[in-house]
Parts: sequence; C-alpha cells; structure tokens
Amino acid sequence: AQSVTQLGSHVSVSEGALVLLRCNYSSSVPPYLFWYVQYPNQGLQLLLKYTSAATLVKGINGFEAEFKKSETSFHLTKPSAHMSDAAEYFCAVTNSGAGSYQLTFGKGTKLSVIP
Amino acid sequence: NAGVTQTPKFRVLKTGQSMTLLCAQDMNHEYMYWYRQDPGMGLRLIHYSVGEGTTAKGEVPDGYNVSRLKKQNFLLGLESAAPSQTSVYFCASNDGSRVVKLFFGSGTQLSVL
Repeated sequence: AQSVTQLGSHVSVSEGALVLLRCNYSSSVPPYLFWYVQYPNQGLQLLLKYTSAATLVKGINGFEAEFKKSETSFHLTKPSAHMSDAAEYFCAVTNSGAGSYQLTFGKGTKLSVIP
Repeated sequence: NAGVTQTPKFRVLKTGQSMTLLCAQDMNHEYMYWYRQDPGMGLRLIHYSVGEGTTAKGEVPDGYNVSRLKKQNFLLGLESAAPSQTSVYFCASNDGSRVVKLFFGSGTQLSVL
C-alpha cells in the first residue's frame, strides 16, 4: 500500500518567511498526492493535488508543491508566510482496494507563524 | 448548501455506554468515510462506504460498526465505549473518483471516561 511520511511534526516560521513542509511518499505505482489543511476546530480541506498532469502544482492561498520522482518527495512551499497560515497540514496519497479509492494521511505538521 | 454535517459536536460517555454518530451529506456523493484523529497519529480510516447499503473496514475498525441505509447518511456506532476510543471523529465524502477530494464535516469530539 502507498504511504506518506511527513518530516517534522511542528514547524515555526516568522511572518514573511518561506514556508517549507516536507512530505515523502512510498509508492509502487505513479501516485496521486494531496495536501490538506486543517484550521483549528475545523475539518480538513483540500489545498492542492498532484495527478501527474504537471510536476509543479499550485493550490489555494499561495501554496504550491513540486512532485519529484527522483526524490520521492512532494514538499509544500509558500514564499511568504502569513499569520492566517497557522494550521495543521497533512500530506496524503490515494490507495485503492476492492474497487474503491481511499486516502492514507501522513501524521501531520503543525505550522506556527511568529509575528 | 450544508455540505457534510456531523452530529453531535461533543459527547462524553462512560466506559461501556453506547452511542451513534450521524453524518449527513447533501452533495449526492457515493463514497463516505469515518476517520478518527489522535494527536501525533494523523487521520486513520475506521470504515467507509462506496454506496448505499455497502460498508467496508478501514485501518482501525475494531470496536466500531457502521451503516449506510440511505445514500446521504453514514452512521458510526460504538456498542461498548472504551477510553481508547476517546478521539475526534471526522466524517467525509467524495464522488468516488481516484482524485480523492474529500469534503469533511467539522468533527465530533468524544471523551470516554
């Protein structure tokens, strides 16, 4: 089964600094990869997705991620952090079984933005 | 358009009690899922359904049962609650495609004492 590993359970950046959240995947087939964001006391929402159309994927709120097959990575970046970016971010990969698709999530990275 | 609605939002149970969590979606989605979220563990799939009348086990199904009698509803039951089931539970739905864009409810915080 496909899996993802997020490096760093907690990342702190200063407002205006680069945001880099790391995700590595393990997959025997070309994966579909996702980043979801969870704001406090809310459910998750889709930030961006990779479905093999383009290796650089742009998402909402200025985030983007680059699929690198040679490094088995799908890191999430944003050039300049904003206070409103403080949230927990989850990398996920599609798994299939019994004719259906499910997501397998990483353990999450909590992003703190320091004023 | 409400999306995915979960009830209740909070619940406290004593060990051994039973309860049912209700999830309702108004997007006519085929697939529905129940996840639990625990600190440092991410989200883990409990059960899921690929259509009305169908259910399947996920990664952590023990101690839970589910039913999908109507397409728009997916119920999660705890027959005999245990402290290990203290968690935040999320319901989600999607249209069943491989590009799994999940729509989540706002969660149910459950404490089992």
